[in-house]
Amino acid sequence: DAKTTQPPSMDCAEGRAANLPCNHSTISGNEYVYWYRQIHSQGPQYIIHGLKNNETNEMASLIITEDRKSSTLILPHATLRDTAVYYCTVTSGTYKYIFGTGTRLKVLA
Amino acid sequence: GAGVSQSPSNKVTEKGKDVELRCDPISGHTALYWYRQSLGQGLEFLIYFQGNSAPDKSGLPSDRFSAERTGGSVSTLTIQRTQQEDSAVYLCASSFTGPPYSSYGGYTFGSGTRLTVV
Repeated sequence: DAKTTQPPSMDCAEGRAANLPCNHSTISGNEYVYWYRQIHSQGPQYIIHGLKNNETNEMASLIITEDRKSSTLILPHATLRDTAVYYCTVTSGTYKYIFGTGTRLKVLA
Repeated sequence: GAGVSQSPSNKVTEKGKDVELRCDPISGHTALYWYRQSLGQGLEFLIYFQGNSAPDKSGLPSDRFSAERTGGSVSTLTIQRTQQEDSAVYLCASSFTGPPYSSYGGYTFGSGTRLTVV
């Protein structure tokens, strides 16, 4: 199974863009990159996913490098409510996400 | 329902007792997953149900753990003879389809059951 590495923590000023990096150097050709976030005491929440093209939805943008070995989740205008643990994961080729310990994002007022 | 419902939200049990955790997925979701999350850790896959297919139990940590899904809907995770290392948040998720790379979106998780074994 492909694995991901993320920085353990990041700070971001409210209103600024939060850029969360993820390395997935062993990703295989048919595996998607998925991002989830977990706000304290809640279950993880799906944010976005992509294969090789950049993706955007109402929550965030996902930038995947051309070699697919890394990606960046962008929250364009971070708010205090975006404070959470952000998980980058890739599919195992079936359905078992391998979640690491994620990046703890703290949005500062 | 509107979301994935799990019950109870909190459970404290004595070591050696059996516990049952319940998950009610989103109506129409054919795939159901159980994960657990120990304090400060990531999510650990436990078991996966897809429609009427045999479940993938490969993530269950020991034979004290079992799960069933009745009628393709509600699922129960049972832990027998609980141990202190079983203390964790047990999360259930559901989705429309199995292979996430072919779905139109990710899982929907419930809020979890916090199990404490004393």
